[in-house]
Amino acid sequence: DQQVKQNSPSLSVQEGRISILNCDYTNSMFDYFLWYKKYPAEGPTFLISISSIKDKNEDGRFTVFLNKSAKHLSLHIVPSQPGDSAVYFCAASVTGNQFYFGTGTSLTVIP
Amino acid sequence: EAGVVQSPRYKIIEKKQPVAFWCNPISGHNTLYWYRQNLGQGPELLIRYENEEAVDDSQLPKDRFSAERLKGVDSTLKIQPAELGDSAVYLCASSFSPGGEAFFGQGTRLTVV
Repeated sequence: DQQVKQNSPSLSVQEGRISILNCDYTNSMFDYFLWYKKYPAEGPTFLISISSIKDKNEDGRFTVFLNKSAKHLSLHIVPSQPGDSAVYFCAASVTGNQFYFGTGTSLTVIP
Repeated sequence: EAGVVQSPRYKIIEKKQPVAFWCNPISGHNTLYWYRQNLGQGPELLIRYENEEAVDDSQLPKDRFSAERLKGVDSTLKIQPAELGDSAVYLCASSFSPGGEAFFGQGTRLTVV
């Protein structure tokens, strides 16, 4: 049973515009969430995280929003750059326990 | 600072043969994870170590998979015998503390033919 879902397998965005990647989860006990970015033939790279005590965390061009009531989080990338083209995974955990990953969204930023 | 190092990067074996993967985590990281990632899927946890103790191996197929982390540093993951369905990317990751953000190695792509 998939506890973390990324329902959009792919997303294309024009350079300079906003990219919004979405993630839903089913386990209301999850309290820590991360986004990873993965280039081909490389391992996932940590991007940004958010704890359930917050509803927003920002790091440069990347912002993660958490809506606990909807069990939904999203990653915003503004402005999008061609180098952002990669597969993005969201992951969730109950603090101190294993992370459950979504199936990923492949982002293509068109120059 | 060196990242998580895995070897080999690629491995092709015939079914029923054994295979082993090696992982060297980031220095000082006590938590080590082995994940398996199938095509089009996210990573799925196989086993998690805190130092040399396996604290979560509930998803490790113990009939054919084994892992060890002697001295709480390097780790090996073994499959014996391998099956066609074991073809996947095997990822090792480490974190400073339990549940902290994990840093991944480049992975080992296993193909069983």
